[in-house]
Amino acid sequence: KAGVTQTPRYLIKTRGQQVTLSCSPISGHRSVSWYQQTPGQGLQFLFEYFSETQRNKGNFPGRFSGRQFSNSRSEMNVSTLELGDSALYLCASSLQEWDGVQYFGPGTRLTVT
Amino acid sequence: AQKVTQAQTEISVVEKEDVTLDCVYETRDTTYYLFWYKQPPSGELVFLIRRNSFDEQNEISGRYSWNFQKSTSSFNFTITASQVVDSAVYFCALSEVDSNTGKLIFGQGTTLQVKP
Repeated sequence: KAGVTQTPRYLIKTRGQQVTLSCSPISGHRSVSWYQQTPGQGLQFLFEYFSETQRNKGNFPGRFSGRQFSNSRSEMNVSTLELGDSALYLCASSLQEWDGVQYFGPGTRLTVT
Repeated sequence: AQKVTQAQTEISVVEKEDVTLDCVYETRDTTYYLFWYKQPPSGELVFLIRRNSFDEQNEISGRYSWNFQKSTSSFNFTITASQVVDSAVYFCALSEVDSNTGKLIFGQGTTLQVKP
């Protein structure tokens, strides 16, 4: 079974621009979560989607948004990029809503200049 | 408030040494899951183990073993006879089921370097 895939793997953007990251979960998984990883803050939860509904959101500004499609694929969007948004963005999928093991993709490395 | 603490930032050992990575957690939920993930230089988090709050049995998988103690809120991870391929960042994480959040709360990670 294919794992979680994320595109693109690397991205360089300029301050003020917006970016969209994509995540395809493991086949059959309906829950998708997003995390931001930075050297200073570590791994922080962004949001979780299940059956196209956002079930939970982390403590991030409204510039961070996401959605999930009927095929469980998910996208996250960051508008008005700031230098501090430079990070590794990890997507994870799980079979169950609350207590499923989350399997992670390789991440998208975003650099904001 | 929920929290996961990995006090060891970096550990360096020589191959074949045993090494224990510490993890202490805080939660008000009675039902929760604890996890360990490995992050090699490639960046992808690799799932190692999940334990639920009602199962305090220790677990062994090859050279890996885990010790879960609710009395001390700890979930420690031991690698026996370490190998160079074990070099990675290891994360302990908590998922609170009672709160129905579905999110993982991660510790800061422990960087393990195994030297030949």
